[in-house]
Amino acid sequence: LAKTTQPISMDSYEGQEVNITCSHNNIATNDYITWYQQFPSQGPRFIIQGYKTKVTNEVASLFIPADRKSSTLSLPRVSLSDTAVYYCLVGDIASGGSYIPTFGRGTSLIVHP
Amino acid sequence: EAGVTQFPSHSVIEKGQTVTLRCDPISGHDNLYWYRRVMGKEIKFLLHFVKESKQDESGMPNNRFLAERTGGTYSTLKVQPAELEDSGVYFCASSQERNFGRFGEAFFGQGTRLTVV
Repeated sequence: LAKTTQPISMDSYEGQEVNITCSHNNIATNDYITWYQQFPSQGPRFIIQGYKTKVTNEVASLFIPADRKSSTLSLPRVSLSDTAVYYCLVGDIASGGSYIPTFGRGTSLIVHP
Repeated sequence: EAGVTQFPSHSVIEKGQTVTLRCDPISGHDNLYWYRRVMGKEIKFLLHFVKESKQDESGMPNNRFLAERTGGTYSTLKVQPAELEDSGVYFCASSQERNFGRFGEAFFGQGTRLTVV
């Protein structure tokens, strides 16, 4: 089963760059790596997705090494509003056959003034 | 465009009662998923609908849980009778891609917080 490992929590200050690394040693060849963000009392929200090398959008960057056994979410110049839980997801095949991403415990990021 | 909406946002019921949660997916999304997070645990997959058909319900904890998706639009998740361990947050998500875990994006609702006392 695909499984991800992330830091439980991280602290940062406004304006800093934050890098959250996720390990996924058993990632399958066809799996993409997806990151979601969740604020309190809200559902997870898609941030970024990639397969290999680097992906960048208006919110974050995702770095994936050649072996794809890990990935790093990079948040440039965080603000207080980036305080949230960040989940790294890779696919998993539920016993019924659906290809469903597995949520780990996520990384709780706290941004301080 | 409206996102995924869930109703109610909170529900407090007594053990043994019945509760029905509703999810309205994004219009046009054939794929609908239910997840839940119980206290202190990870978000766990419950089941997956493709239109009105149950594609995968391997995550449903027991037969006290019944999910339906009439006409392939909104979905309901009924818990009958509710037990204390059913307390948690129930999330619904929808996607265009059948296997959003492989690629694509799922859109989540804000969740229904269920408390069984």
